[in-house]
Amino acid sequence: AQSVTQLGSHVSVSEGALVLLRCNYSSSVPPYLFWYVQYPNQGLQLLLKYTSAATLVKGINGFEAEFKKSETSFHLTKPSAHMSDAAEYFCAVSASNSGYALNFGKGTSLLVTP
Amino acid sequence: DVKVTQSSRYLVKRTGEKVFLECVQDMDHENMFWYRQDPGLGLRLIYFSYDVKMKEKGDIPEGYSVSREKKERFSLILESASTNQTSMYLCASDPARGGTEAFFGQGTRLTVV
Repeated sequence: AQSVTQLGSHVSVSEGALVLLRCNYSSSVPPYLFWYVQYPNQGLQLLLKYTSAATLVKGINGFEAEFKKSETSFHLTKPSAHMSDAAEYFCAVSASNSGYALNFGKGTSLLVTP
Repeated sequence: DVKVTQSSRYLVKRTGEKVFLECVQDMDHENMFWYRQDPGLGLRLIYFSYDVKMKEKGDIPEGYSVSREKKERFSLILESASTNQTSMYLCASDPARGGTEAFFGQGTRLTVV
């Protein structure tokens, strides 16, 4: 089975500052890793995904994440936060030994202050 | 665009009622999933289905059942609703290949009173 741990249930950054949301995974087989974003009262939208190709993955809205096998991490970053980035962010993992069902972290709520 | 549609955005049901949550996807995806989302707990997998009439238990199947009679439709059933099933329920589908994106519906916020 696989799992993810998101460090920090709430993160606050100033507009224009670096965004860093942390995710560590556990998997006994090569994982697929995802970041999803959820805006209030909406479903989840994919930001980016790692599928064993390039370790640095670029996503929508200026976000990117780097897969580091040695650290079992897949942290999400954005160089400059925008007010519209305020949302809930979920890291997720899937693998072949679980039918590719997504296992989600508990989420990180990002607050962006002016 | 892939569309996953959940039949209701908000539902209020009484304790003991049988509740049906419906989900339809329009992209011929093999896999469909039901999650519940609670503050501080993230999304937890209730059931998933990888084919018509097939189902697999997720992490928290107790108190729930599912039905998948047609490929595009996946129903979540609360046999006897209880207040601890008050939650946001999210349906998702994907084409059952590793590393592919799961598409989510807008969610159904269920309140059991």
